[in-house]
Amino acid sequence: NAGVTQTPKFQVLKTGQSMTLQCAQDMNHNSMYWYRQDPGMGLRLIYYSASEGTTDKGEVPNGYNVSRLNKREFSLRLESAAPSQTSVYFCASRPTGGSQPQHFGDGTRLSIL
Amino acid sequence: QKEVEQNSGPLSVPEGAIASLNCTYSDRGSQSFFWYRQYSGKSPELIMFIYSNGDKEDGRFTAQLNKASQYVSLLIRDSQPSDSATYLCAHTGNQFYFGTGTSLTVIP
Repeated sequence: NAGVTQTPKFQVLKTGQSMTLQCAQDMNHNSMYWYRQDPGMGLRLIYYSASEGTTDKGEVPNGYNVSRLNKREFSLRLESAAPSQTSVYFCASRPTGGSQPQHFGDGTRLSIL
Repeated sequence: QKEVEQNSGPLSVPEGAIASLNCTYSDRGSQSFFWYRQYSGKSPELIMFIYSNGDKEDGRFTAQLNKASQYVSLLIRDSQPSDSATYLCAHTGNQFYFGTGTSLTVIP
């Protein structure tokens, strides 16, 4: 059982380049999330998707776009990468229902030079 | 006001001692509370959840919830060096909220 799978695990970009972070879950969860985690800052929500076909902004959405391709997949795109976007990015999913926890992928470590 | 407040630590305890981690929250409508453990360089993993007032025990871990006082805590008994990690408190209200985490070091 793979759970939440993120690709790539590591990436180095130059300022201005674009890229898409991929996330897929095989647990039939409705909700999916993208977070970034910087030292001392905790998890900060970038975007989330409560169900297939819907997406909403979180705390720090600027500079990012998302696509909920289907129930399994939720991608995060950086159109023009900036050094301030150097971070560790986590994707998470959870079933519908107020009492359910989130389950995390292994993360993508992104460096922008 | 942050939705979830945690003491960032670091918290250091000797091996075999009880580690106590605390979290306060502001949303009185919160239903469910979670503790995640995050090792350095790894992703958060769920270790405990609690929905009702009182204590919930799972092995060496005990979660305590007091909705009237709006706090939730995690006790780790017989702390081991392998418990050294950052512990994140989370809860669901209108949304899912995470605290910034408490760093725990267990000293052999």
